Amino acid sequence: NAGVTQTPKFQVLKTGQSMTLLCAQDMNHEYMSWYRQDPGMGLRLIHYSVGAGITDQGEVPNGYNVSRSTTEDFPLRLLSAAPSQTSVYFCASSYVGPGELFFGEGSRLTVL
Amino acid sequence: KQEVTQIPAALSVPEGENLVLNCSFTDSAIYNLQWFRQDPGKGLTSLLLIQSSQREQTSGRLNASLDKSSGRSTLYIAASQPGDSATYLCAVRLHNNNDMRFGAGTRLTVKP
Repeated sequence: NAGVTQTPKFQVLKTGQSMTLLCAQDMNHEYMSWYRQDPGMGLRLIHYSVGAGITDQGEVPNGYNVSRSTTEDFPLRLLSAAPSQTSVYFCASSYVGPGELFFGEGSRLTVL
Repeated sequence: KQEVTQIPAALSVPEGENLVLNCSFTDSAIYNLQWFRQDPGKGLTSLLLIQSSQREQTSGRLNASLDKSSGRSTLYIAASQPGDSATYLCAVRLHNNNDMRFGAGTRLTVKP
């Protein structure tokens, strides 16, 4: 019973490097989303998707790209990492509408 | 724009005390409201989900209420235990685009 799986759990990058955070869910959820969590800032929505081929921006989308080619996967791409992107990233999924939101364990990213 | 506020930001109580955590939101056009628990360095665990048509939900020592018209929810914890120490977050799912907006959380400490 995997639920929402995020990889990697930890990553250290240098400024300017690119990387992809992976998120997969096995619950056939239409809705998937990425949040970042920073001390004192709470959870902020980066991007979300309500189905394959459909993505939209959240509160803090700059510096991040997403795509949704399948129902199961929703990768988050950092094109050119900056120290301001040091954070803990959470992926979440649910059914659209009144669905319960389920979270992954998080990916801790440090940009030097 | 939907704003979610949680008061207090931190709370410390002796073991055995009953307590109430508060969550308020500015736009009543929501699908549902969800309460989560987060332990330090961990992901978010769903505690209770209240649909917009419901008034309350209960799970063990936890009871969550929802007053959509006034934009308020409360999480009641009965007979608190040291193991309840964690950060509690509320989130509302928006009716217009399905995304979730989070409060900053209440950090609860239950002292033995």
